[in-house]
Amino acid sequence: AQSVSQHNHHVILSEAASLELGCNYSYGGTVNLFWYVQYPGQHLQLLLKYFSGDPLVKGIKGFEAEFIKSKFSFNLRKPSVQWSDTAEYFCAVNTGRRALTFGSGTRLQVQP
Amino acid sequence: DTEVTQTPKHLVMGMTNKKSLKCEQHMGHRAMYWYKQKAKKPPELMFVYSYEKLSINESVPSRFSPECPNSSLLNLHLHALQPEDSALYLCASSGLAGGPRTGELFFGEGSRLTVL
Repeated sequence: AQSVSQHNHHVILSEAASLELGCNYSYGGTVNLFWYVQYPGQHLQLLLKYFSGDPLVKGIKGFEAEFIKSKFSFNLRKPSVQWSDTAEYFCAVNTGRRALTFGSGTRLQVQP
Repeated sequence: DTEVTQTPKHLVMGMTNKKSLKCEQHMGHRAMYWYKQKAKKPPELMFVYSYEKLSINESVPSRFSPECPNSSLLNLHLHALQPEDSALYLCASSGLAGGPRTGELFFGEGSRLTVL
């Protein structure tokens, strides 16, 4: 079965600090990986995705993520966060065998 | 703005009421989904329709009844709900269930349901 773990449940950063959110998945085969963001009161939006190819993927708003197959990880990074990045971030995985499975989410709070 | 439209945005219902949530997309997607999201929790899959046929039912109680009248529409019929069913119900669509780009879901803004 596919599953996703996000170990950082709540992260508080000051503006301009660097961000890294952890995501690990459990599945031995081919996976499609995603990061979604949910701003307060808004719908889920796709930040970035990985299907194949270059393991370093760039998304919207300056976010990037690196797929490390040997570590079953897909960590999200941003060099310098802004107050507007305050949101809930969900890592998600799909193996093609069932629908998208989400991690438990990380609440990011950026202080001005 | 999202290209998946859900109505109503808010719904309050009693435990004996019958109501429906509606979802519409015009992106030509052939897979549509219902997720349930409780506060501060991740979305949990309820149902998946692929080519208008129910392909996944995550052991959802029968008081939730999905319907996919055509490739653009998805309904969720609600009857005899419990207060613990109060949540944000999210509709999503994707290009091809089980295909190589599986998982690139487009979400609606959700219908916030309160059961009294």
